[in-house]
Amino acid sequence: GAGVSQSPSNKVTEKGKDVELRCDPISGHTALYWYRQSLGQGLEFLIYFQGNSAPDKSGLPSDRFSAERTGGSVSTLTIQRTQQEDSAVYLCASSPQTGGAKNIQYFGAGTRLSVL
Amino acid sequence: AQTVTQSQPEMSVQEAETVTLSCTYDTSESDYYLFWYKQPPSRQMILVIRQEAYKQQNATENRFSVNFQKAAKSFSLKISDSQLGDAAMYFCACFGAAGNKLTFGGGTRVLVKP
Repeated sequence: GAGVSQSPSNKVTEKGKDVELRCDPISGHTALYWYRQSLGQGLEFLIYFQGNSAPDKSGLPSDRFSAERTGGSVSTLTIQRTQQEDSAVYLCASSPQTGGAKNIQYFGAGTRLSVL
Repeated sequence: AQTVTQSQPEMSVQEAETVTLSCTYDTSESDYYLFWYKQPPSRQMILVIRQEAYKQQNATENRFSVNFQKAAKSFSLKISDSQLGDAAMYFCACFGAAGNKLTFGGGTRVLVKP
């Protein structure tokens, strides 16, 4: 596609429910990142995928958070048993690993998650 | 480990004037890149400008330019001839080639007065 696509744009859920957030990266970009943007913590790195390598999960805040990337393209971020502190905007970015745009991350519009 | 600090929570500028946003950073990596991103109310982070740390020449992109002081670990953004459409949150970020992730500053809100 032309840009990074994220869905849904907004998600409201009840505390304790599971949610799935989707990211469709720019075609041909091998690197994919998830970040969380919240009022109290600013922008935080969550997880990084590069090709077929094992993901860097060092930013995931708890074991309720997980992510996968199928076929080296679409990624899903799953939050189990959501808590109110999970309320934030979840941003996805993709990046080419070669060429002049190497290491530039292109962002989607994010998913705003509200946990009631 | 990396840290990025933006000391100005908010800056105001008159249309057509110039504004400079401050950013300082710290990184243990020798190969790194610095970025300024713009985030309008639509939420999408838009790349404004990129600077490779190994380059001494300051990056420019139309009305946007940076002052990169490597020894001082300073990376300021200058917006010239400010336009109403420049109003947004601006984030400074550092990318270390080994760490493979962006570390962001807390952001500076830019207000443009007509």
